[in-house]
Amino acid sequence: DVKVTQSSRYLVKRTGEKVFLECVQDMDHENMFWYRQDPGLGLRLIYFSYDVKMKEKGDIPEGYSVSREKKERFSLILESASTNQTSMYLCASSGDRGTYEQYFGPGTRLTVT
Amino acid sequence: KNEVEQSPQNLTAQEGEFITINCSYSVGISALHWLQQHPGGGIVSLFMLSSGKKKHGRLIATINIQEKHSSLHITASHPRDSAVYICAVRTGNQFYFGTGTSLTVIP
Repeated sequence: DVKVTQSSRYLVKRTGEKVFLECVQDMDHENMFWYRQDPGLGLRLIYFSYDVKMKEKGDIPEGYSVSREKKERFSLILESASTNQTSMYLCASSGDRGTYEQYFGPGTRLTVT
Repeated sequence: KNEVEQSPQNLTAQEGEFITINCSYSVGISALHWLQQHPGGGIVSLFMLSSGKKKHGRLIATINIQEKHSSLHITASHPRDSAVYICAVRTGNQFYFGTGTSLTVIP
């Protein structure tokens, strides 16, 4: 079974803090994604990466950065957390071959106070 | 602009009813996915379609490529089917998501 894990299920941070969200997948997938999910807005793509050290902006990259130093790990960084970044953050991965299915992590519910 | 539109947004059904959730998309796709998300839970993939129809237990998914439309059907619905159902399409390396249909099945 594909497993995508995220470092925390729940996280509470203060405004202005630097926040790291980690995602690890064990299926040797090329593609990894970070989304945020908000009520009524669905899933919105923040960044994705199709290879180590490669990254592409998604629909809402402002206020975020990412890092992919190893194929299995994709990190999302909030340089200076703000209250409007309170959300559910979901990581996903997919391969370039076969079913192209996207596999999701359990999510991190981040609250910025 | 939303590349993927779902309807209805919310759906309440009695146990045993036949349920249909619709998805329309506006981009060229390589595949369409139906996902399920339980409250507080992660997202799991139910189906991946590029043509025709797939069936898994009480769930049936269909896609019409020409009309850019897909439907997810649940036969003999059960309270444990209560969840948010999300339609997603893949184009290149990117995925686009509908806002989801929240289904509640009442015993």
